[in-house]
Amino acid sequence: AQSVSQHNHHVILSEAASLELGCNYSYGGTVNLFWYVQYPGQHLQLLLKYFSGDPLVKGIKGFEAEFIKSKFSFNLRKPSVQWSDTAEYFCAVNANGGSQGNLIFGKGTKLSVKP
Amino acid sequence: NAGVTQTPKFQVLKTGQSMTLQCAQDMNHEYMSWYRQDPGMGLRLIHYSVGAGITDQGEVPNGYNVSRSTTEDFPLRLLSAAPSQTSVYFCASSYSSTASYEQYFGPGTRLTVT
Repeated sequence: AQSVSQHNHHVILSEAASLELGCNYSYGGTVNLFWYVQYPGQHLQLLLKYFSGDPLVKGIKGFEAEFIKSKFSFNLRKPSVQWSDTAEYFCAVNANGGSQGNLIFGKGTKLSVKP
Repeated sequence: NAGVTQTPKFQVLKTGQSMTLQCAQDMNHEYMSWYRQDPGMGLRLIHYSVGAGITDQGEVPNGYNVSRSTTEDFPLRLLSAAPSQTSVYFCASSYSSTASYEQYFGPGTRLTVT
C-alpha cells in the first residue's frame, strides 16, 4: 500500500532560521505531490503542489519544495521562517495517476517558531 | 462564496448514539470527501464521492455511512458511535475528481464520544 512518511514530528526553530521538512513516499508509479498547512485552530490550506515539469516548485508565503524522483522525496523548504509560520505541515500524495482526487497524508510535522 | 462549511463545530455523543455531520460546498465541485484527523496519525480518508449519486469507501470506512443526493451536500453518518470515533472530521471538495485540482477543506467538526 502507498504510504507517506514525514520524518520529524515536532520542529522548533528561532525566527530567521532556515527550514527543511522531510517527506518520503512509497509508490513506484506516477505521483502528484502536495504540501498542506494547518495554522492553529484553522482548516488545511494548500501550500504548493507538484504534478510534472520543474521539480522545484514554489508555493505561497515563500515556501518551496523539491521533488527528487530517485529518492521518492518531496521536501519542503523556507530560507527564513517567521513566527507566523507556526503551524502543522502535512505532505500528501495522490498515487492513482490523477484519476481520483484521493490523497494519502503523512502524519504531519508540527513547527514551532520562537520569536 | 462560503466555500466548504461544516456543522456542528463541536459535538459530544454517548456510545451507541447516532448522528450526522453536515458538509456543504457552494463552488459546484464534483468531488467531495471526508477525512478524520487523529493526533500523530495525519488525515485518513473515510469516504469520498466523485459526483451526485456516486460514493465509495476510503481507508477507514467502518462505522460511517455517506450519501450524495445533491452536488452541494455530502453528509457523514455515524451509525452507532464508539469512543474510537473521537476525532476531528474534515470535509473537503475539489472541482474535479482528478488530482489536478486543489482540495478545499472545511473548518472541521470536533467529535467526542464518551
